[in-house]
Amino acid sequence: KQEVTQIPAALSVPEGENLVLNCSFTDSAIYNLQWFRQDPGKGLTSLLLIQSSQREQTSGRLNASLDKSSGRSTLYIAASQPGDSATYLCAVRPRIQGAQKLVFGQGTRLTINP
Amino acid sequence: GAGVSQSPSNKVTEKGKDVELRCDPISGHTALYWYRQRLGQGLEFLIYFQGNSAPDKSGLPSDRFSAERTGESVSTLTIQRTQQEDSAVYLCASSPRGEGGVLFFGEGSRLTVL
Repeated sequence: KQEVTQIPAALSVPEGENLVLNCSFTDSAIYNLQWFRQDPGKGLTSLLLIQSSQREQTSGRLNASLDKSSGRSTLYIAASQPGDSATYLCAVRPRIQGAQKLVFGQGTRLTINP
Repeated sequence: GAGVSQSPSNKVTEKGKDVELRCDPISGHTALYWYRQRLGQGLEFLIYFQGNSAPDKSGLPSDRFSAERTGESVSTLTIQRTQQEDSAVYLCASSPRGEGGVLFFGEGSRLTVL
């Protein structure tokens, strides 16, 4: 059974710092991995999607990497801003016939202090 | 609309009552998902629809839960004889295709069962 773990559960850093959020998964048989952000009381917003054949994806100040063989992904945020404060979730789509659901981690609650 | 729309945004009900939650996916998106997020917990898959194929109901927690979707349009999630443990945010997401597509989430329906 695929399990996704995110460490740390919470992180607080000063504005301007570069930071890394970690995601690990137990089964390397995946179609893709997605990173989302969730603001309090809101739905999820997709940030980056990495297909299983890719190593990384970049969008603005965000860079996500994928090491499928070791079951790890990182989300790098450069020059953090208070507006980056949110919960960040990663999710994998298992490569199992008929399996369409994403398996989510519990998230990392990020606070950027001005 | 431009995004996934869910209604109601908030619902308070008494234990034992039935509730219906509605999701309007992004136009043209063939895939539709329902997830549940209990307070302080990760997202829990409930059900997946893809076009006219049979839905994947493997995540529904009991026979009190059911969902329908007409073609590639609106979906309703029905919870019968609600229990306090059903209290959660119910999130709907749609995707332009079943596998490998980015998921777009609505803002959720917060259900409170007294």
